[in-house]
Amino acid sequence: LAKTTQPISMDSYEGQEVNITCSHNNIATNDYITWYQQFPSQGPRFIIQGYKTKVTNEVASLFIPADRKSSTLSLPRVSLSDTAVYYCLVGPYNQGGKLIFGQGTELSVKP
Amino acid sequence: DVKVTQSSRYLVKRTGEKVFLECVQDMDHENMFWYRQDPGLGLRLIYFSYDVKMKEKGDIPEGYSVSREKKERFSLILESASTNQTSMYLCASSLDRGQTSGRSSYEQYFGPGTRLTVT
Repeated sequence: LAKTTQPISMDSYEGQEVNITCSHNNIATNDYITWYQQFPSQGPRFIIQGYKTKVTNEVASLFIPADRKSSTLSLPRVSLSDTAVYYCLVGPYNQGGKLIFGQGTELSVKP
Repeated sequence: DVKVTQSSRYLVKRTGEKVFLECVQDMDHENMFWYRQDPGLGLRLIYFSYDVKMKEKGDIPEGYSVSREKKERFSLILESASTNQTSMYLCASSLDRGQTSGRSSYEQYFGPGTRLTVT
């Protein structure tokens, strides 16, 4: 499974757009990029997944450049409730569900 | 909505006790997983199961066993609890391995977690 690198922490203010970048230089052809969100004292929650270009849902957008060696999770107009740890995972679509969670990025949103 | 429930949010046990952690999902998911989460180490996979009565070891199975007698229930067993098993335990489920549903096996649904303290 491809190794991922993310910033350990980020700070933001309410109403700002937050972009969290994940590096995955050795991503394989059949790997997908998946992001999870975890609030304190809760289990992680699936946010978004993509293979290339751009994916958008009601929570976030995921930007993946053509070389796929990195990806950026974009959270529009964050609020205090977006304070959480965000994990980037990379792996085959159908590899059987063995998730490898790294350290994640601890996002702190301030008023 | 998928619901994954765990039997306890907080649990305190003594060293040497046998501990059972129960997990139930209500969406007929094929796959179920047990993780533990520790500060600085992230989430680590203990065991997982793709079907009833089958199990596979994850990255840190030592000191644990599992049981899956019914599709919706996956139990984690600490045969003889030790202090180094004090941790947050998270159960998760996913639809399948994606071959039939078209849904990614990376889309896992997690329970709220059980914070286990072994004294």
